[in-house]
Amino acid sequence: KQEVTQIPAALSVPEGENLVLNCSFTDSAIYNLQWFRQDPGKGLTSLLLIQSSQREQTSGRLNASLDKSSGRSTLYIAASQPGDSATYLCAVEARSQGNLIFGKGTKLSVKP
Amino acid sequence: DAGVIQSPRHEVTEMGQEVTLRCKPISGHNSLFWYRQTMMRGLELLIYFNNNVPIDDSGMPEDRFSAKMPNASFSTLKIQPSEPRDSAVYFCASRLRDGYASPLHFGNGTRLTVT
Repeated sequence: KQEVTQIPAALSVPEGENLVLNCSFTDSAIYNLQWFRQDPGKGLTSLLLIQSSQREQTSGRLNASLDKSSGRSTLYIAASQPGDSATYLCAVEARSQGNLIFGKGTKLSVKP
Repeated sequence: DAGVIQSPRHEVTEMGQEVTLRCKPISGHNSLFWYRQTMMRGLELLIYFNNNVPIDDSGMPEDRFSAKMPNASFSTLKIQPSEPRDSAVYFCASRLRDGYASPLHFGNGTRLTVT
């Protein structure tokens, strides 16, 4: 059974700092991995999707990498801003299933 | 694009009552998912549909939960009878299933409180 873990559960950084969020998964047979952002009281917003054949994806200040063999993904946020404060979740779509399995997220707080 | 629309946004009900949550997916999307989010368990898949057909309902907690998708633009999740442990945020999400590179789009959720 696929399990997704995100460490740390919470992270607080000063504005301007570069940071890395981690995601690990137990079954490397995945179709894709997605990173989402969730603001309080809101749904999830897809940030980046990495297909199993890809190593990384970039969007603006965000860069996500995927290492299937080790079951790891990282989300790199450059020059963090207070507006980046949110919970970030990763999710994998396993080959044996047609749905996404989510980690519990990392709650990020960027202090001005 | 109006996004995934869920109603109601908040629902407070008494134990034993029937609850119906509604979802309108993004037009053109052919896969629809119902998730439940709690602090303890995070996001859990309840059921998903492809082309209006239920594919996997193994996440539905028990017979008190049922979901339908009568057409491509509407789905319901019903709980009857409701119990306090059903209190959670219920999310509907949709995507275009044309391979496996399509991101999932979420609604803003329904916060259910059962007293």
